[in-house]
Amino acid sequence: AQSVSQHNHHVILSEAASLELGCNYSYGGTVNLFWYVQYPGQHLQLLLKYFSGDPLVKGIKGFEAEFIKSKFSFNLRKPSVQWSDTAEYFCAVNVPQTGTASKLTFGTGTRLQVML
Amino acid sequence: GVTQSPTHLIKTRGQQVTLRCSSQSGHNTVSWYQQALGQGPQFIFQYYREEENGRGNFPPRFSGLQFPNDSSELNVNALELDDSALYLCASSWSGGNTDTQYFGPGTRLTVL
Repeated sequence: AQSVSQHNHHVILSEAASLELGCNYSYGGTVNLFWYVQYPGQHLQLLLKYFSGDPLVKGIKGFEAEFIKSKFSFNLRKPSVQWSDTAEYFCAVNVPQTGTASKLTFGTGTRLQVML
Repeated sequence: GVTQSPTHLIKTRGQQVTLRCSSQSGHNTVSWYQQALGQGPQFIFQYYREEENGRGNFPPRFSGLQFPNDSSELNVNALELDDSALYLCASSWSGGNTDTQYFGPGTRLTVL
């Protein structure tokens, strides 16, 4: 079974600082990778996803993530954070299965707090 | 989008509860997750074309239904204190192997 590790539980940054949140997964085969964000009082929203192709994926609101297969990693980055990026960020993986959906396995999340 | 009802629910130990979800139009798969405080969502089960299509590490007192009209239910019998959590519904279209799950706002269940 696959598992996901997010090593940063709580990150505090000042506005305009650069962000990198770590995500590592354990599974030897092909995976799909996702980052979801949960803003305070709101539901989980998809930030970006990787299925195949270019390992550098761009998402909404200036976020990007890089898939490094050899390191089993899918780290989330943003060059300059804003106060409105304050939220909980979840990395998730699933194992692609043709013709049917498969479960998402989530990390425990990283709480990002951006200070003005 | 995906909608869920009710928003909040308070029950006592031993009671039964039904949570409802309305999937995004055109989606054929619904998945349910439990998110305890401070944790990531945990997969409960998934329904595809009205049949259970995978279950996580949850006991049989967690059960579900998916209806043809894009709605689904999560039922929990004999509630325990540890069932207190945010319950998330996610819908997706499973036509290939690149499905993306879209989440509803969740139902926060408190068991006293």
